[in-house]
Parts: sequence; C-alpha cells; structure tokens
Amino acid sequence: EAQVTQNPRYLITVTGKKLTVTCSQNMNHEYMSWYRQDPGLGLRQIYYSMNVEVTDKGDVPEGYKVSRKEKRNFPLILESPSPNQTSLYFCASSRRTGQITGELFFGEGSRLTVL
Amino acid sequence: AQKITQTQPGMFVQEKEAVTLDCTYDTSDPSYGLFWYKQPSSGEMIFLIYQGSYDQQNATEGRYSLNFQKARKSANLVISASQLGDSAMYFCAMREGYNYGQNFVFGPGTRLSVLP
Repeated sequence: EAQVTQNPRYLITVTGKKLTVTCSQNMNHEYMSWYRQDPGLGLRQIYYSMNVEVTDKGDVPEGYKVSRKEKRNFPLILESPSPNQTSLYFCASSRRTGQITGELFFGEGSRLTVL
Repeated sequence: AQKITQTQPGMFVQEKEAVTLDCTYDTSDPSYGLFWYKQPSSGEMIFLIYQGSYDQQNATEGRYSLNFQKARKSANLVISASQLGDSAMYFCAMREGYNYGQNFVFGPGTRLSVLP
C-alpha cells in the first residue's frame, strides 16, 4: 500500500529535550515536505526537499532541522523544543519535482505537545 | 501577503444540498496548480481535486467540482448533494511553477458542517 508513515503519532515532551519525528514514504517520490498545522493558520511549510541531499527552508523553519540522506526518509528534528512548537505536524511527499501537477500525499500527522 | 485566502471560517449546509467553498489566490506565475484537500475530524489530509492554470475546463471528481475563474483568481470548490460525511475542514492550496514547483501553499481552511 502506497503511504507516508510518521512516528510518533503523539508525543508529550518537555522544553529543551531533543526529539525526532520520522517520516518515510514508499512511493519513490522525489519531493518531501514538513508542515505544521495551527488553528486559524492552515498548514505552514517548515522545510522541504527536492531530492536526496537537497533541502531548503519553508516559511517557518526556526527551531527545526531536517536531513535527506535517503530518498524515502525525511526526519524532522527539534534540537531544543519550546512550547510554541506545540502543534500538529504533517509530513508529505509528491511524485514530481519541477512540475505544478502532482498532489501531496500526507502522513497521518504527529501531535506534539511541549511542556 | 497571503497567497491563498479562504474567507469563510465556517459554513453550514443542509444534507443533500450543494455548497460552495470560496478560495482566492495570488500569484504572478503563469504556471500553477490549485488543489483542494479535506481534513475530517480524524485528522488525515485527503486530496479531492486538482486544477491546472492552463486547463481549459473546470475540474470535476464525482460530487466535487472546481469553479475556476482565472481572471478573478478564484478556485471555488463546489460539493453537490452534501452528505453528513462531508463535514470536515477544507483547505485550498496552490503549487507555483517557478523554482521547480517547490512552493506548496495552503489557505487557513473552511470548516463545513452538514446538517441532517
């Protein structure tokens, strides 16, 4: 089954404790991206990757890191989480880079709470 | 500046009636794609429909159609014969062609409630 898998789905952590949210897709997609969803703001892009070893900042990259060492994986790293990073996070992938077609396929979301 | 505007935070519709969810966008790129997603209360994001900027006809997918008015920069989603299961958040999104299509921007969403 074609899918984007995120883990963990739910996490409660404390300020400053490093955490990683994993994301893996099995569709051989070139493009991968991370979003955070907050009420009234829709989805805002954190980072994206056009292909292996190619990553770039989205609209709200502060406090986050990513890496793309393999095509299928795109982990999101919070080095020192803060309460304002409490949010619902989505990983997404798309089959084409360089074209306007190609919808995003989303993971199920990871709800993160930082105390 | 907001690239995607959805002016209806919430909408109500009676079951079996049609409803239109508004979306306006802002881009100077002649090549772009417009997408609608549904997010039910369970939280997953479900792709509904796509319209390309060069497409001559409005996109349709089952009960979903996209009323694309290029000159007005609007891409409204029309849901015909609403069902209770259509109650959800709906997001309009745009993918611009410049910079290899890497920018995928979402609007704030519209919460649709279908009444029995």
